[in-house]
Amino acid sequence: GENVEQHPSTLSVQEGDSAVIKCTYSDSASNYFPWYKQELGKGPQLIIDIRSNVGEKKDQRIAVTLNKTAKHFSLHITETQPEDSAVYFCAARGSNFGNEKLTFGTGTRLTIIP
Amino acid sequence: DVKVTQSSRYLVKRTGEKVFLECVQDMDHENMFWYRQDPGLGLRLIYFSYDVKMKEKGDIPEGYSVSREKKERFSLILESASTNQTSMYLCASSLVGSFYGYTFGSGTRLTVV
Repeated sequence: GENVEQHPSTLSVQEGDSAVIKCTYSDSASNYFPWYKQELGKGPQLIIDIRSNVGEKKDQRIAVTLNKTAKHFSLHITETQPEDSAVYFCAARGSNFGNEKLTFGTGTRLTIIP
Repeated sequence: DVKVTQSSRYLVKRTGEKVFLECVQDMDHENMFWYRQDPGLGLRLIYFSYDVKMKEKGDIPEGYSVSREKKERFSLILESASTNQTSMYLCASSLVGSFYGYTFGSGTRLTVV
C-alpha cells in the first residue's frame, strides 16, 4: 500500500518568513495530494490540494508543488502569520478505482514566532 | 455550513467497557472513515465505509468494529476497551471520486482507565 513520509516533525519560523513542509510517497500511481491544517482542539481542515497532472498550485499565501518523478510534494507558506501556527498533514491517494482512502503523513507542528 | 458531527468531545471509560463513538454527516457523502490520531504516528485508518451496511478494514482494525445502518451515520465500536485505545478519534466523510478531500469532525478524545 501507499506510504507517506513527512518532514520535519516540528518547524519554528519567525513571523513574516516562509515555511516549507515536505512529503514523499511510495505509490507512483497516486494522483491526488491534499494538505490539511489542524488547529488546537479541532479536526483537520483541507487547505489546498493538487492533482497529479499539475506541477504547482497557489492560493494566496500557500502553495503546493508536486514532483511526480521524484515522488515528492511540498507545502509552502509565505509571509507567515501567528494564525498559521498549527499541525499540518500531507496525504496521498492512489488511482485505483474504488480506492477512496487517503494515506496521511505523520504531521508537522508549525510554530510562528512573533 | 456542511458538517461532520461527533457526538462526544471527551469520553472517559473503564477497561472492559463497550464503547460507542457516533459520527453523523449532513452532506449526503457516500464515504465515511474512522481514524485514530496519536502523537508521532499521524492519522491511522481504522475502518471505512463506501455505502450503507458496507465496511472495510483499514490499517489498524483490531479491537474495533463499525456499523453503518444509515448513510449519514457511522459508528465506531470498541467491544472491550483497553488502555492502549486511549487516543483521539476522528471521523471523516467524502464524496466518491479520486479528487475529493475529506471533511473531518472535531474529534473525540477517549481516555480508557
